[in-house]
Amino acid sequence: NAGVTQTPKFQVLKTGQSMTLQCAQDMNHEYMSWYRQDPGMGLRLIHYSVGAGITDQGEVPNGYNVSRSTTEDFPLRLLSAAPSQTSVYFCASSYSGQANEQFFGPGTRLTVL
Amino acid sequence: AQTVTQSQPEMSVQEAETVTLSCTYDTSESDYYLFWYKQPPSRQMILVIRQEAYKQQNATENRFSVNFQKAAKSFSLKISDSQLGDAAMYFCAYRSRIGTYKYIFGTGTRLKVLA
Repeated sequence: NAGVTQTPKFQVLKTGQSMTLQCAQDMNHEYMSWYRQDPGMGLRLIHYSVGAGITDQGEVPNGYNVSRSTTEDFPLRLLSAAPSQTSVYFCASSYSGQANEQFFGPGTRLTVL
Repeated sequence: AQTVTQSQPEMSVQEAETVTLSCTYDTSESDYYLFWYKQPPSRQMILVIRQEAYKQQNATENRFSVNFQKAAKSFSLKISDSQLGDAAMYFCAYRSRIGTYKYIFGTGTRLKVLA
């Protein structure tokens, strides 16, 4: 198993550009989520999905879109990048059931100039 | 809404010594899960230990153990016989047992291990 994979690992964007962060998992997990990590703020939930075709907003959803057309993939789209979106982004997945741990991808470091 | 607080931004410990990282949380729920995750410099998030709120017994995983005080809403992590490889950011997280599957993370504690 590859676990949770994210691409790219690093990305630099200019203000106003759009891009998609890719996330895939091969563990047949129902639950997937996107977090951003900023210094001194821990991990904050952006969007999450409890299954294919079902997504919902987290704590900081503005400026981001998601979709979940398959169980395996959960891409995060930045529609018009802003410097405030400079962060490290993590994708995570787990089986449904709150006792189950989330497995995290390696993260994407995004810089918006 | 639930909150998780880690009041120690940074801690240091001598190699082979014991250190305790603090975590408090606020919730009106009676049943939930608590987790400690480790994030080394590689950025990879790794589960350290998990505690189910309905279990009174404190969870242990080798050198890692928790002190779970449900009434005080406290969930501290004790690392015994600290090793250089324990140096990392440590995050405390809360997950409700019902409804949403969302995790709520604390702001993290950076642990330095001194040789």
